[in-house]
Amino acid sequence: AQSVAQPEDQVNVAEGNPLTVKCTYSVSGNPYLFWYVQYPNRGLQFLLKYITGDNLVKGSYGFEAEFNKSQTSFHLKKPSALVSDSALYFCAVRDYARGNTPLVFGKGTRLSVIA
Amino acid sequence: EPEVTQTPSHQVTQMGQEVILRCVPISNHLYFYWYRQILGQKVEFLVSFYNNEISEKSEIFDDQFSVERPDGSNFTLKIRSTKLEDSAMYFCASSGDRGRDDSNQPQHFGDGTRLSIL
Repeated sequence: AQSVAQPEDQVNVAEGNPLTVKCTYSVSGNPYLFWYVQYPNRGLQFLLKYITGDNLVKGSYGFEAEFNKSQTSFHLKKPSALVSDSALYFCAVRDYARGNTPLVFGKGTRLSVIA
Repeated sequence: EPEVTQTPSHQVTQMGQEVILRCVPISNHLYFYWYRQILGQKVEFLVSFYNNEISEKSEIFDDQFSVERPDGSNFTLKIRSTKLEDSAMYFCASSGDRGRDDSNQPQHFGDGTRLSIL
């Protein structure tokens, strides 16, 4: 069975500092990995994905994520946080071997960027 | 940029009543999904729909739930007899441009319908 763990409920970071939001996953085959962001009273917005190839993927709003197969991790990063990055972040996985399957989400990490 | 739209944004219903949540997926997408998010909890998969039939469903999606694509644009979720525990945010998503494998495509989500059961 597929699963995603986001070990931190809350991450606080000062504006201008680098941020990391952690994610680890478990799938039986190869993973397709996604990060989504949710602003208050809004749906989930796609940020970036890892499918294959370069382990460092770049996405929207200056975010990037690094796929680490040995550690089964896909941590979200940004070199310099903005107050407007404050939101709820979800990591999600689907199993490549199973084709078109639903996303399995982590429980989310609330990011607060303090001015 | 095309969006998934959901109506209504908030639905308040008495327990035991039927409710229909509506979604208009992105027009050239082929795969449709419903997820729900109980307040403070993770986003949970309910059902996926492709080629006019359910392709996968979770254990949450019991006989009280049904989905339909009544025309070429709408995708609806019906709950026949609502329970208190159905109170949640319900998200519709779509993916899969025509002719492309969906498995590596991101799903695009609507802003959700907040369902409150009294």
